[in-house]
Amino acid sequence: GIQVEQSPPDLILQEGANSTLRCNFSDSVNNLQWFHQNPWGQLINLFYIPSGTKQNGRLSATTVATERYSLLYISSSQTTDSGVYFCAVREGGADGLTFGKGTHLIIQP
Amino acid sequence: EAGVVQSPRYKIIEKKQPVAFWCNPISGHNTLYWYLQNLGQGPELLIRYENEEAVDDSQLPKDRFSAERLKGVDSTLKIQPAELGDSAVYLCASSDPQGPNEQFFGPGTRLTVL
Repeated sequence: GIQVEQSPPDLILQEGANSTLRCNFSDSVNNLQWFHQNPWGQLINLFYIPSGTKQNGRLSATTVATERYSLLYISSSQTTDSGVYFCAVREGGADGLTFGKGTHLIIQP
Repeated sequence: EAGVVQSPRYKIIEKKQPVAFWCNPISGHNTLYWYLQNLGQGPELLIRYENEEAVDDSQLPKDRFSAERLKGVDSTLKIQPAELGDSAVYLCASSDPQGPNEQFFGPGTRLTVL
């Protein structure tokens, strides 16, 4: 099956800093989603981005499908941004999403 | 619009006991998924439903796990009997097969087996 690798696994930043999270995948996909899992375990949809670039406030994402990677940018980090960020992909014909292991982000005040 | 609803949020049982989880998807979402999330890992697919039909249950441990979606709306996932290794978070998700294929997740049920 498809492999999804996220980096870095852990990231500790001060409030106000910017960060870039990376997701590499091993095959063509028809769905790529970024999620934020908050401390209560809820997976919050950030972006549905199988290709191209999207922005939503302080967050933006870019997927280069031909090179099989996606990037999530977080600018001016806030403590509420803390949590685990997951990249998940779906290859053609697959039934569900395949998740990476996530990036654990800690924003310190 | 209401999101995916799951209950209970937390469940503690002793090993060998049965347990059931309930999920109500977003209205109009015909596709429903159950995922399992172990500590420190990403979710993994257990089963996918299209309406009331289970179209892929290859990852569901069928000796003790079962699922149903009788009327094509809400769904129940059951474990009988539970084992210590079943302690995890069980997540339900839904998507609109006529839409952009985006999945939305419920808050999950955290199961602890003692």
